[in-house]
This record gives sequence, structure tokens and C-alpha cells, in this order.
Amino acid sequence: GENVEQHPSTLSVQEGDSAVIKCTYSDSASNYFPWYKQELGKRPQLIIDIRSNVGEKKDQRIAVTLNKTAKHFSLHITETQPEDSAVYFCAAITSSCGTSYGKLTFGQGTILTVHP
Amino acid sequence: DGGITQSPKYLFRKEGQNVTLSCEQNLNHDAMYWYRQDPGQGLRLIYYSQIVNDFQKGDIAEGYSVSREKKESFPLTVTSAQKNPTAFYLCASSRRVLYEQYFGPGTRLTVT
Repeated sequence: GENVEQHPSTLSVQEGDSAVIKCTYSDSASNYFPWYKQELGKRPQLIIDIRSNVGEKKDQRIAVTLNKTAKHFSLHITETQPEDSAVYFCAAITSSCGTSYGKLTFGQGTILTVHP
Repeated sequence: DGGITQSPKYLFRKEGQNVTLSCEQNLNHDAMYWYRQDPGQGLRLIYYSQIVNDFQKGDIAEGYSVSREKKESFPLTVTSAQKNPTAFYLCASSRRVLYEQYFGPGTRLTVT
């Protein structure tokens, strides 16, 4: 099955700096890669996602890049703010042969702390 | 945040008892999922369902059971066979498999 590795496990930056979180996946058939943000005590919420037919996607201060050859994808947050502090999870999904079946495999999470 | 609900928020049970966690969605989503979250381990998939009356085991299905009798509902039973049931349980739903998953607020289960 799919295996997703996420690094680093913790990341501390100063407000205004950039933050980068990287994930690698094992199943070359994976074709959907979402990123979730989970604040303390709250539910995970999707912040950005990318499908395997594109290499990069941006949404304001957040961007995701995908390298299918190397089987890794990264989350980039620019101009970080204290409210960006949270746990971030990457995930990968593989849909089974021509069907809509599939499951999401999550990375272990990165605790991002943005210091004012 | 609305659309998918879980109850209760906190649940306490004695060892050896089965317990059922509720998950309801009014988003008209086909797919529903159950995850377990432990500190430092991310989210692990327990069961998922694409359509009514059909579900698949995830990565850690042992000691759990589910049903999908209605599109809106996907209850999870934590049985006494689950060796370490204390955890935070999250339910999610999505329109289809390759679409965004929306999470419920979670149920924190403590078994003593």
C-alpha cells in the first residue's frame, strides 16, 4: 500500500519568513495530494490540493509543488503569520484501477510554530 | 464547519464494553471515512465507504466495525477486541474519492 513520509516533524520560523514542508510517497499510481491544517483541538481543514496532472498550484501565500518522477510534493508558505501556527498534514490518494475506490494516506504531520 | 457532525464530543467507557460513535452528514456526499488520530502519528484510516451498503477496510480495521445503511450516516463501533481504543476519532466525507474530504469535529474516546 501507499506510504507517505513527512518532514520535518517540527518547524519553527519567525513571522514573515517562509516555511517549507516536504512529503514523499511510495505508490507511483497516487494521483491526488491534499494538504490539511489542524489547529489545536479542531478538525483538519483542507488548505490546498494538487492533482497529478499539474506540477504547481498557488493560492495567495500558499503553494504546493509536485514532482511525480521523484515522488515528492511540498507545501510552501510565504510571509508566515502567527495564525499559521498549527499542525500540517500531507496526504496522497490512489484510486483503484478505473474505479472511484481509493483511500487517503496521511503523513505524520508537521507542527509549525510562527514566532511574532 | 457545518455539514458533518459527530457525537458525542467526549466519550468515556470501561474496558470490555463496545461503544458506537456517531457520524452524520447532510452534504449529499457519496464517500465517508473514519480515521483515528494519536499524538505524533497523524491520521490513520479505519474504514471507508463509497456507497450505501458497501465499505472497505482501511489500514487499522481490526477491532472496529461499521455500517452504511443510509447515505447520511456512517457509525463506527469500537469493540472490546480493539487493544488500545483510547484516541481521537475523526469522521470525514467527500463527494467522491478524489475530492476534498470534510472532517467532523471528532470524538475523543477514553477507555479505562
